[in-house]
Amino acid sequence: QVRLQQSGPGLVKPSETLSLTCAISGDSVSSNTAAWNWIRQSPSGGLEWLGRTLFRSKKWYNEYSLSVTSRISINPDTSRNQFSLQLNSVTPEDTAVYFCGREGSYCSGDICDYYAMDVWGQGTSVTVPS
Amino acid sequence: DIQMTQSPSSLYASVGDRVTMTCRASQSIASYLNWYQQKPGKAPRLLIYGAFNVQSGVPSRFRGSTSGTEFTLTISSVQPDDFATYYCQRSYSFPRTFGQGTKVEIK
Repeated sequence: QVRLQQSGPGLVKPSETLSLTCAISGDSVSSNTAAWNWIRQSPSGGLEWLGRTLFRSKKWYNEYSLSVTSRISINPDTSRNQFSLQLNSVTPEDTAVYFCGREGSYCSGDICDYYAMDVWGQGTSVTVPS
Repeated sequence: DIQMTQSPSSLYASVGDRVTMTCRASQSIASYLNWYQQKPGKAPRLLIYGAFNVQSGVPSRFRGSTSGTEFTLTISSVQPDDFATYYCQRSYSFPRTFGQGTKVEIK
């Protein structure tokens, strides 16, 4: 059974860096079939995908949301089988519950390039005070 | 970016009712659409991937369908455990945009 365990501070000062870690058990951050994501949920309830990292053909790839691309970094740590989120220069608008998630790959009929967030971390509430 | 618009934003239902909700994509995303259920204080749970494929362990009363850029999640007979918020998400290209959610509440 795959589990994701999040850790990191719940309070970050404005202009500082938000850092969270997601430890993986039951799968590998170097998996060739999964991708490792960060998502956040604002106090108003909306879910926002932030980015992901994945390992394919012996290389690491990242994709980031344009809304945070200048401030975000998602990095794998193969020695500890985990991945991390760093979000720089935070403001009160970054206050949210942050989730890590595994995107597993699925087949539908003859097509096997469907991805879905099938395992989630427990969520970390992060507050950036004004 | 492709926008995902869910409707209604909330609905009321009684146990045993048939419930439907819709997610519309602003452009074609083929069948690259997932549905999630979220309860307060919890992480979302995957229900449907690829528009109509039910995730393992999800009750068969949940069904997904699609017609063009419109996607529908149907709960055939809503149960007490189903009162929650439901989100759609595109899984084609980036960003992996979520809809704004449909909250299913007890009538």
